[in-house]
Amino acid sequence: NAGVTQTPKFRILKIGQSMTLQCTQDMNHNYMYWYRQDPGMGLKLIYYSVGAGITDKGEVPNGYNVSRSTTEDFPLRLELAAPSQTSVYFCASRRDYGYTFGSGTRLTVV
Amino acid sequence: GNSVTQMEGPVTLSEEAFLTINCTYTATGYPSLFWYVQYPGEGLQLLLKATKADDKGSNKGFEATYRKETTSFHLEKGSVQVSDSAVYFCALSVLAGTASKLTFGTGTRLQVTL
Repeated sequence: NAGVTQTPKFRILKIGQSMTLQCTQDMNHNYMYWYRQDPGMGLKLIYYSVGAGITDKGEVPNGYNVSRSTTEDFPLRLELAAPSQTSVYFCASRRDYGYTFGSGTRLTVV
Repeated sequence: GNSVTQMEGPVTLSEEAFLTINCTYTATGYPSLFWYVQYPGEGLQLLLKATKADDKGSNKGFEATYRKETTSFHLEKGSVQVSDSAVYFCALSVLAGTASKLTFGTGTRLQVTL
């Protein structure tokens, strides 16, 4: 039972580069979320999805894009990386009150 | 809007000491309240939850009671262990539209020493 799997675990990007953070869950949860965690701060919601084909913006969506073509996958895309996007990114899925979080992707933009 | 305020850390305690981490919230509607724990290098894990006023969530010796009158959800444990060292996040969830979303506090780091 893998739960929520995020790849990669670590990545260093140069300013202006693009990348996709992968998130996969095997629990058949409809709801999925992307959060970022900055040092000394709580988690901020970037985007969320209530099911395949449906996504919506959270608190801090600028500079990111998402898609949800299947129930299992919810990738997060950074098109033009900026230093302000240096953070730890967490993907989560939910059924009822139970959120399951991935182990995170630590991204540094230099 | 919704917000969660929790005490700043780090909180440093000796093993077997009593732990309290304060958490207060502001929310529209009727939130569910959560405590999550994050061990070093890992994602967040649900520690306990309460879905209505006066509910008590408990798990692994930790407890928190949903106090609507004081808008609080303080985390307590009677005797901490070194293995409890982690960052603890208070959070709330209010159903908004078609999806509930978690709003987190800034986290409190707990360090337990022998």
